Amino acid sequence: EIVLTQSPGTLSLSPGERATLSCRASQSVSSSYLAWYQQKPGQAPRLLIYGASSRATGIPDRFSGSGSGTDFTLTISRLEPEDFAVYYCQQYGSFRWTFGQGTKVEIK
Amino acid sequence: EVQLVESGGGLVQPGGSLRLSCAASGFTFSSYAMHWVRQAPGKGLEYVSAISSNGGSTYYANSVKGRFTISRDNSKNTLYLQMGSLRAEDMAVYYCARDRTGYPLDAFDIWGQGTMVTVSS
Repeated sequence: EIVLTQSPGTLSLSPGERATLSCRASQSVSSSYLAWYQQKPGQAPRLLIYGASSRATGIPDRFSGSGSGTDFTLTISRLEPEDFAVYYCQQYGSFRWTFGQGTKVEIK
Repeated sequence: EVQLVESGGGLVQPGGSLRLSCAASGFTFSSYAMHWVRQAPGKGLEYVSAISSNGGSTYYANSVKGRFTISRDNSKNTLYLQMGSLRAEDMAVYYCARDRTGYPLDAFDIWGQGTMVTVSS
């Protein structure tokens, strides 16, 4: 099973700042089958990025994903008030699915 | 509107059974693979199970294999999760989610609001 480790656990930033979230896999993620989700309290997760770098429908372009192999990054170029939430990475290759433990982006 | 609505959650005793349902609307349900994901209170997301668009292939996390059964009725646009031999560690909000494709090989682009399962005596 591929283990995903997200860092940092919590990111304290101000609106307008840039957020950089990391997701590291214990082994290579095939074909960049890596997704990012956003979850706000009391809500279901929302797909942001799939295939490591493709934005899902309706996702603002301030969200971008990059990386390959075992190292992946989600970048939020300028934080908006609605972006403060928990973010999860997920790998979905080879009929095995795992999530990272999450990174909380909180208001500083 | 594309929508998934879960139901069937509730309080069950350890060792008991429960069946969750997920009603789909606003899209061609039979064209998409589907998944169940759960989230224990205050914890992260945990993968549970997947089923292909025609129901011919199913997949389970090791933690639920042999106890849970995923199925679907494409004529009713409904996904199911039959849960048995429930344990305290199965207590969570259970979400159904749509795969981006017909075979469970992609990310999950639509999620339901979740249904809570409480396992307690």
